[in-house]
Amino acid sequence: AQSVTQLDSQVPVFEEAPVELRCNYSSSVSVYLFWYVQYPNQGLQLLLKYLSGSTLVKGINGFEAEFNKSQTSFHLRKPSVHISDTAEYFCAALKQGTYKYIFGTGTRLKVLA
Amino acid sequence: GAVVSQHPSRVICKSGTSVKIECRSLDFQATTMFWYRQFPKKSLMLMATSNEGSKATYEQGVEKDKFLINHASLTLSTLTVTSAHPEDSSFYICSARAAAGIDQPQHFGDGTRLSIL
Repeated sequence: AQSVTQLDSQVPVFEEAPVELRCNYSSSVSVYLFWYVQYPNQGLQLLLKYLSGSTLVKGINGFEAEFNKSQTSFHLRKPSVHISDTAEYFCAALKQGTYKYIFGTGTRLKVLA
Repeated sequence: GAVVSQHPSRVICKSGTSVKIECRSLDFQATTMFWYRQFPKKSLMLMATSNEGSKATYEQGVEKDKFLINHASLTLSTLTVTSAHPEDSSFYICSARAAAGIDQPQHFGDGTRLSIL
């Protein structure tokens, strides 16, 4: 079973609309969770991370995510998207007892004009 | 801060040649570096973890003789794809972490697109 699951491979959304990118994790990973963004032909840039404390985490570029232990989810949200947010978004978790990332399969966010 | 530079960004070469990819942490010392492989429209697959001055730890299924990793200093790690073949064509990404600790994120390079003809 996939340790980090991103069910949506693609999410089209109109500019200035809100968006939610879903991420669920399994018990085989830790609850240290991350969201990264990847622009075409580039590496990954950290958007935000949850390590402990407040379950609502705010990141860069207006993104936020909420850690929900009961639903084993860490969904990413933005209230109003821009064309420049078009990119691939990856959810990741640390493998139990290590500093290794387990990545989800990614969600391609396409913002439409 | 926390810039990781990866070079080259793109390389095209003939089958059978060896290709070296460099990963440098420009403004911090990286105790640990990671090498990933990303297939088209797929997630990142961890290939190996390297710590400065010691042998790399490879993930299951990754051929260590095929993908040679050297972490000679706290700011440089190299991945050499030996006797490359078309099936080695992929996007390779490195990342680096400054120190141990859960709160230390990985900082990624911009990747290297390797095409073997």
